[in-house]
Amino acid sequence: AQSVSQHNHHVILSEAASLELGCNYSYGGTVNLFWYVQYPGQHLQLLLKYFSGDPLVKGIKGFEAEFIKSKFSFNLRKPSVQWSDTAEYFCAVNSGGGADGLTFGKGTHLIIQP
Amino acid sequence: GAVVSQHPSRVICKSGTSVKIECRSLDFQATTMFWYRQFPKQSLMLMATSNEGSKATYEQGVEKDKFLINHASLTLSTLTVTSAHPEDSSFYICSARDLSSSGATREQYFGPGTRLTVT
Repeated sequence: AQSVSQHNHHVILSEAASLELGCNYSYGGTVNLFWYVQYPGQHLQLLLKYFSGDPLVKGIKGFEAEFIKSKFSFNLRKPSVQWSDTAEYFCAVNSGGGADGLTFGKGTHLIIQP
Repeated sequence: GAVVSQHPSRVICKSGTSVKIECRSLDFQATTMFWYRQFPKQSLMLMATSNEGSKATYEQGVEKDKFLINHASLTLSTLTVTSAHPEDSSFYICSARDLSSSGATREQYFGPGTRLTVT
């Protein structure tokens, strides 16, 4: 069975600070990896995804993530956060074939202070 | 972009009654839809996989007789919570995979969710 671990449950940063949210997964085979964002009162939005190829993926709103297979990690990064990045961030995984539902991490609540 | 809708967005029902939640893919066809449950301030948990024209596949611990899933067409899946109890109160979210998308067949598009409150 797959599992996803997000290390930081609550993160508070000031505007313009750099961000890195950790995500590790547990699965023996090929995986697809995702980061979703959920703004207050809104539905899940896909930030970025990794299926194969270049392990450094760039997403929307200036976010990027790096897949490190040897570490089973897919950390999310942003060089300079904005107040509007305040949201809940979820890392998710499914098996390589992509036919399965997603296994989500517990989420990280990010608060950006002006 | 691919849009998934859910109806209703919020529903309040009395204990013992049944509630139906609809999930629609508006601009694409989806042979597979997924139902998730999200408790307050927690993550999403996959409940079941809904396949058009066949029985749903339920995750371990999810009661199939309580959470009835029907995927009658390529654009509609329904989740019926039968004999609802207060502990069924939660946020129910569906997602759908685009049947025709060649470059992103493994991406799921999420609906806005349905807030169920059982009194």
